[in-house]
Amino acid sequence: AQSVAQPEDQVNVAEGNPLTVKCTYSVSGNPYLFWYVQYPNRGLQFLLKYITGDNLVKGSYGFEAEFNKSQTSFHLKKPSALVSDSALYFCAVTGGFKTIFGAGTRLFVKA
Amino acid sequence: DTEVTQTPKHLVMGMTNKKSLKCEQHMGHRAMYWYKQKAKKPPELMFVYSYEKLSINESVPSRFSPECPNSSLLNLHLHALQPEDSALYLCASSLGRLGENTGELFFGEGSRLTVL
Repeated sequence: AQSVAQPEDQVNVAEGNPLTVKCTYSVSGNPYLFWYVQYPNRGLQFLLKYITGDNLVKGSYGFEAEFNKSQTSFHLKKPSALVSDSALYFCAVTGGFKTIFGAGTRLFVKA
Repeated sequence: DTEVTQTPKHLVMGMTNKKSLKCEQHMGHRAMYWYKQKAKKPPELMFVYSYEKLSINESVPSRFSPECPNSSLLNLHLHALQPEDSALYLCASSLGRLGENTGELFFGEGSRLTVL
């Protein structure tokens, strides 16, 4: 069975500081990994994905994620956080037509 | 702006009512999905349509009835719902090559359902 885990319910960071939102995965075979963001009362928006290739994946709004096979991790990062980055972030793994989401991490960026 | 459109944005219904949620996309995607999301929780998969055929039903109660009239439209018919069915219902689509999907999901804004 495929799964992802987000160990932090909430991450707090000051504006301008780097941010990291953690995700670990458990899959059989090659993982198809994704990050999505959800703003209040909105649907989810795709940020980035890892299918194959370079371990560092760049996505929307300056976000990037590093795929680490040995640590089975896919952490989301941004060099300089903005207040507008405050939202709920979901890590996800896809197999066939099933996308399994992590529990979500709420990011608060303080001005 | 989302390219997946869901209507209505809000719906309040009694337990004896029949209502429908609608979803439309014009991106040429061949896979469409219904997800249910409770507050502060991740989305939970309900149904998947691939090439207008029901591919996945995640053991959803029969009071939820999906329908895919064509490749652009997806409906969710609701009947005799319970208060615990109150949630945000999200529609999504993906490229969905036959039998697989390695691409990202495109979500609508959701329909917030309240069952009284």
